[in-house]
Amino acid sequence: DSGVTQTPKHLITATGQRVTLRCSPRSGDLSVYWYQQSLDQGLQFLIQYYNGEERAKGNILERFSAQQFPDLHSELNLSSLELGDSALYFCASSLGSGGEQYFGPGTRLTVT
Amino acid sequence: EDQVTQSPEALRLQEGESSSLNCSYTVSGLRGLFWYRQDPGKGPEFLFTLYSAGEEKEKERLKATLTKKESFLHITAPKPEDSATYLCAVQAWHQGGSEKLVFGKGTKLTVNP
Repeated sequence: DSGVTQTPKHLITATGQRVTLRCSPRSGDLSVYWYQQSLDQGLQFLIQYYNGEERAKGNILERFSAQQFPDLHSELNLSSLELGDSALYFCASSLGSGGEQYFGPGTRLTVT
Repeated sequence: EDQVTQSPEALRLQEGESSSLNCSYTVSGLRGLFWYRQDPGKGPEFLFTLYSAGEEKEKERLKATLTKKESFLHITAPKPEDSATYLCAVQAWHQGGSEKLVFGKGTKLTVNP
């Protein structure tokens, strides 16, 4: 158990809908990262927050947004969902000064 | 652009048959190289961090090494429970301080009893 929690585990929704994925980092970690894993693309970095502030953006679509709250948990919002958004979404956390990232169990999103 | 290439894509071994997985990388300035293990449908599990060429880390049957262009994950006398996908990732020094990881596509290891 990495200490990173994610909810929900599974999400099935229709095209055009909006969903929110939630992540709680390990105790003491200030950085939260979101990654998307699909069969053909592998693990792709989406966005990083550090202590409530956005620190870096990767290949995140404009339809996606995220935030980190004062208690350091984070939410990833996905809107106007398309079939191609079906993937595993992972949250990871770290102290924030480089070093290893610890991953949560993931949320499997299926868009039908 | 930072890139990571892992080979082979898949590897089948007999129990006890040692082998190595390769991770080649190009990065502007290496901050760290990471190895993870991932079981199907689960999150990546951290194994090792390597920071500089010549560094080695060991854990049970696994040993990771690093050169200026690649890293190897050596598996000695593997057991069926070592079956998993092994992921390599690099972290580079970036302006603005991003600590994002760039991952390879992984090597799927199957160890037969």
